[in-house]
Amino acid sequence: EAGVAQSPRYKIIEKRQSVAFWCNPISGHATLYWYQQILGQGPKLLIQFQNNGVVDDSQLPKDRFSAERLKGVDSTLKIQPAKLEDSAVYLCASSLDRQGTEAFFGQGTRLTVV
Amino acid sequence: KQEVTQIPAALSVPEGENLVLNCSFTDSAIYNLQWFRQDPGKGLTSLLLIQSSQREQTSGRLNASLDKSSGRSTLYIAASQPGDSATYLCAGPWRSEKLVFGKGTKLTVNP
Repeated sequence: EAGVAQSPRYKIIEKRQSVAFWCNPISGHATLYWYQQILGQGPKLLIQFQNNGVVDDSQLPKDRFSAERLKGVDSTLKIQPAKLEDSAVYLCASSLDRQGTEAFFGQGTRLTVV
Repeated sequence: KQEVTQIPAALSVPEGENLVLNCSFTDSAIYNLQWFRQDPGKGLTSLLLIQSSQREQTSGRLNASLDKSSGRSTLYIAASQPGDSATYLCAGPWRSEKLVFGKGTKLTVNP
């Protein structure tokens, strides 16, 4: 079974530039999550999708972050414009359904904003 | 607000030792608890998932327990190996469904 795929693995951008991350979840998984992990911290949820609908985006900085999940499969997370404090690892995860099912994570994208 | 705490933040042990990692949470109405492993620069690998109706789960040298009433979970690693060196994270969903993570315990197993 293929895992959660993310790209790119690494990205370095200057502040005020824009960047986009892509995620392909495990086939058949209805729930997709984007997490932000700052060095030394546990991952923090940015947004959760159920199929192509948003379940939770309460911690997404909507003035600069946006995300979409087209056709309930792939997802893209965008930051525009980036700030220095956005430097982090962005993790995508998927699960078969919502509560009570195991979540599987991708390798993450390490973003450095200079 | 659900909070997850992991103690200790770092642990160093000699190879072959049995060890316990701790995870505590503030809200006992947890749906399940999941333990993950994270190697440097990598994503999270799921180790064990304990449903709220279960008390423990085992996989190889790993055993995880869940005590909802006391708000605690433990991950027991038997006969530790240098390859076990990594950061171990616990997380649980509550009514809000999102996984809430602790900061992790960084484990170093010395040969």
